[in-house]
Amino acid sequence: DVKVTQSSRYLVKRTGEKVFLECVQDMDHENMFWYRQDPGLGLRLIYFSYDVKMKEKGDIPEGYSVSREKKERFSLILESASTNQTSMYLCASSLQDTEAFFGQGTRLTVV
Amino acid sequence: ELKVEQNPLFLSMQEGKNYTIYCNYSTTSDRLYWYRQDPGKSLESLFVLLSNGAVKQEGRLMASLDTKARLSTLHITAAVHDLSATYFCAVDPYNFNKFYFGSGTKLNVKP
Repeated sequence: DVKVTQSSRYLVKRTGEKVFLECVQDMDHENMFWYRQDPGLGLRLIYFSYDVKMKEKGDIPEGYSVSREKKERFSLILESASTNQTSMYLCASSLQDTEAFFGQGTRLTVV
Repeated sequence: ELKVEQNPLFLSMQEGKNYTIYCNYSTTSDRLYWYRQDPGKSLESLFVLLSNGAVKQEGRLMASLDTKARLSTLHITAAVHDLSATYFCAVDPYNFNKFYFGSGTKLNVKP
């Protein structure tokens, strides 16, 4: 079974903190993604990566950055957390031409 | 701007009844994916539809794709309570493994 593991299920951070969300997949997938999920808005793509050290902006990259130093790991960084970044964050991975497999999600609260 | 619209957004139905969820998208895409999300859980892949006219069935769920109409349907037959969840469709219009999601349809099947 494909496994996508996010480092935390729940996080509470203060406004202005730098926040790291980590994601690891064990199936040698080329593609990795970070989405945020908010009620009524579905899933919105923040960043994705199709190879090590490669990244592309999604639809809502502002306030976020990413890092992919190894194929299995894709990190999402909130440079200076703000309250409007309170959300559920979902990491996913895929091969070419297949569906995405999702991690269990990280519910981030910024206070 | 690419749009993926699902309707209805909320669906409450009795066990044993049939119903259809619709997914419309605004740009050409040969690929469409259906996912299920249980409360507090991540997304689970249900169906992968890769060509016009594709039909997939699993238990009481059947998904179809009409790429010319830019429409996919998820049909529920003789609903049971265990099908209660939120269902998402997603398209990959550029065949680049960049997925765009609908807002989701929250299904509640009443016993």
